[in-house]
Amino acid sequence: KAGVTQTPRYLIKTRGQQVTLSCSPISGHRSVSWYQQTPGQGLQFLFEYFSETQRNKGNFPGRFSGRQFSNSRSEMNVSTLELGDSALYLCATKGGGGQETQYFGPGTRLLVL
Amino acid sequence: QKEVEQNSGPLSVPEGAIASLNCTYSDRGSQSFFWYRQYSGKSPELIMFIYSNGDKEDGRFTAQLNKASQYVSLLIRDSQPSDSATYLCAVMAANFGNEKLTFGTGTRLTIIP
Repeated sequence: KAGVTQTPRYLIKTRGQQVTLSCSPISGHRSVSWYQQTPGQGLQFLFEYFSETQRNKGNFPGRFSGRQFSNSRSEMNVSTLELGDSALYLCATKGGGGQETQYFGPGTRLLVL
Repeated sequence: QKEVEQNSGPLSVPEGAIASLNCTYSDRGSQSFFWYRQYSGKSPELIMFIYSNGDKEDGRFTAQLNKASQYVSLLIRDSQPSDSATYLCAVMAANFGNEKLTFGTGTRLTIIP
């Protein structure tokens, strides 16, 4: 079974631009969560999508948004990029509801200049 | 108080010894507990999960959970240099439909040959 895939793997943007990251879950997984990881803050939860609906949301500004498609693939978008948005963005997927294990993708490393 | 707390380390352990990693959490209703290993520049990889009080063993790894003390630990026996990594403790809330993972900031473990 193929693992979680994320594209692109690396990205360089400048302040004020916007960016869209993609996550394709493991086949059969319907829940996709997004996390931001920085050296100072660690892994922080952004949001979770399940069956095309946002089910949970972390404490990030509205510049961070996401969506999920009918095939469970998910995208997250960051508008008006700031230097502090430089981070590793990870998605993690699981089958559905319940106390299940999440499996992480390789991440997208975003650098904002 | 942080929701999930870990000693950031670095924790240095001689090869062949037992490495002990600790984690405390604040949400008394938490039900599921996970240990992830993250090598530098890579995404987190699941090591173990535990739901019930007591010990759970998997090869050289043992997870221990004490819900009364809100404490979870990971023991690594016969430590190998390949165990050198950052270990992330993650806790999942109990509320149905709110199964987001909250991570500690991680403990950096170094196994000394």
